Amino acid sequence: RKEVEQDPGPFNVPEGATVAFNCTYSNSASQSFFWYRQDCRKEPKLLMSVYSSGNEDGRFTAQLNRASQYISLLIRDSKLSDSATYLCVVNIPTGRRALTFGSGTRLQVQP
Amino acid sequence: DGGITQSPKYLFRKEGQNVTLSCEQNLNHDAMYWYRQDPGQGLRLIYYSQIVNDFQKGDIAEGYSVSREKKESFPLTVTSAQKNPTAFYLCASSRGLASPQSSYNEQFFGPGTRLTVL
Repeated sequence: RKEVEQDPGPFNVPEGATVAFNCTYSNSASQSFFWYRQDCRKEPKLLMSVYSSGNEDGRFTAQLNRASQYISLLIRDSKLSDSATYLCVVNIPTGRRALTFGSGTRLQVQP
Repeated sequence: DGGITQSPKYLFRKEGQNVTLSCEQNLNHDAMYWYRQDPGQGLRLIYYSQIVNDFQKGDIAEGYSVSREKKESFPLTVTSAQKNPTAFYLCASSRGLASPQSSYNEQFFGPGTRLTVL
C-alpha cells in the first residue's frame, strides 16, 4: 500500500462545477497535511495547510478525517485557471524527517 | 525578494559525465530538500538536510551526492552512476523542525532544473 494515495484522474468538470478530491494516508500517527498545486512543467506551490478543524480559503475547503485516514479538497465554482494537478502531502513518521508527496490528481476545467 | 533559485533551468549532459545542480535560498530556512519528478509521476525524495553540515538519504539517493556547507546552499551532483538521470529536479526548503515531535512546516520550491542526458 502506498504511503499517500490519490486518484490520478483526470477529473474533467465544466466551469462553475464543484469538485472534490480525496487522499488517503497509511500512517495513523501522521500530523501534518497540505495540499499543493502543480501546473504543467512548473514547480509545486502550496495551496493550503489542512488543520484538524478543517479550513477554508475562498472557493477552496480542506478537511481532515483522522478516523478514516484521509484528507479532502473541495473546489467550488471551478474556474478554467483551476486546471492543474493537486498534490496531497503528508508527513509519514517513520524516522525520515521529510514530507511525502502523493502522485497527484489532475483537474481539467472545461469551458 | 525572498525565494529559492535553481540553476540552470535546462541542462544537457553526455553519458558518463557528472553534473551539479545549484539550489540557493534566502528565506533563512534550516531545512532543504531535493526531489526528482519523472513525466506523469509524483515527486521522489533524493536527499534532505535539516541543518548545515548534515544531510540524509531519501528514497532514491543512489547515483547522487549533496553537500550542505552553507545554510543557504544545497547543491546536488548527478553522477555517472545514476543510470537514468533524465528528469525534472526540484529543490525545496522549509523552516526546520523545533523537535522530533513537532508538526512539519510547509515546503517551498524553486522553479526546477530539467536535466536531459544525450
